[in-house]
Amino acid sequence: QKEVEQDPGPLSVPEGAIVSLNCTYSNSAFQYFMWYRQYSRKGPELLMYTYSSGNKEDGRFTAQVDKSSKYISLFIRDSQPSDSATYLCSGTSYGKLTFGQGTILTVHP
Amino acid sequence: ETGVTQTPRHLVMGMTNKKSLKCEQHLGHNAMYWYKQSAKKPLELMFVYSLEERVENNSVPSRFSPECPNSSHLFLHLHTLQPEDSALYLCASSPGRGASETQYFGPGTRLLVL
Repeated sequence: QKEVEQDPGPLSVPEGAIVSLNCTYSNSAFQYFMWYRQYSRKGPELLMYTYSSGNKEDGRFTAQVDKSSKYISLFIRDSQPSDSATYLCSGTSYGKLTFGQGTILTVHP
Repeated sequence: ETGVTQTPRHLVMGMTNKKSLKCEQHLGHNAMYWYKQSAKKPLELMFVYSLEERVENNSVPSRFSPECPNSSHLFLHLHTLQPEDSALYLCASSPGRGASETQYFGPGTRLLVL
């Protein structure tokens, strides 16, 4: 079983839609959970990170963690074509990042 | 230059060639990482250096040889690679190795082994 499972998509939505990206994990030792965004031909960049169960909001983005069910989500409100990218979820344990496969998102005008 | 830079951005090599990938970070960080990103697979951590000392080697074949001459530079030396080694190789750095440390990634080197 992979430590972090993520549906690779691809996911295609119209501009303005609410996007929900989800991951499950199996490692109970994960301390932090991070979402990275990777544009084509670029390296991943940190979008959000959370520590405890609950929600964390930053502008149009909301990260949600449910440690009891080992489920992490990223919601994007009012999605824009510029949000088109691959979104990588990850968990950290003792400084080591473990990534999901990444979900390819396309927001079309 | 700012952030994390990698050269070359693209590399094509034969199985008998020897080449090196270079990473440089301008962030004053103490930890540096090599990752491999293959299509339809999660990022795979290859090597971790902390204060120029290798602290992690995730069962990477010996045809990949890392080198960290100082805290700002990281190399990945390649020799007798296989076609399945074709991938995007990403370098990252972080201030330290704590659980909450954010890793900053370079743009990657796209490697094709023929």
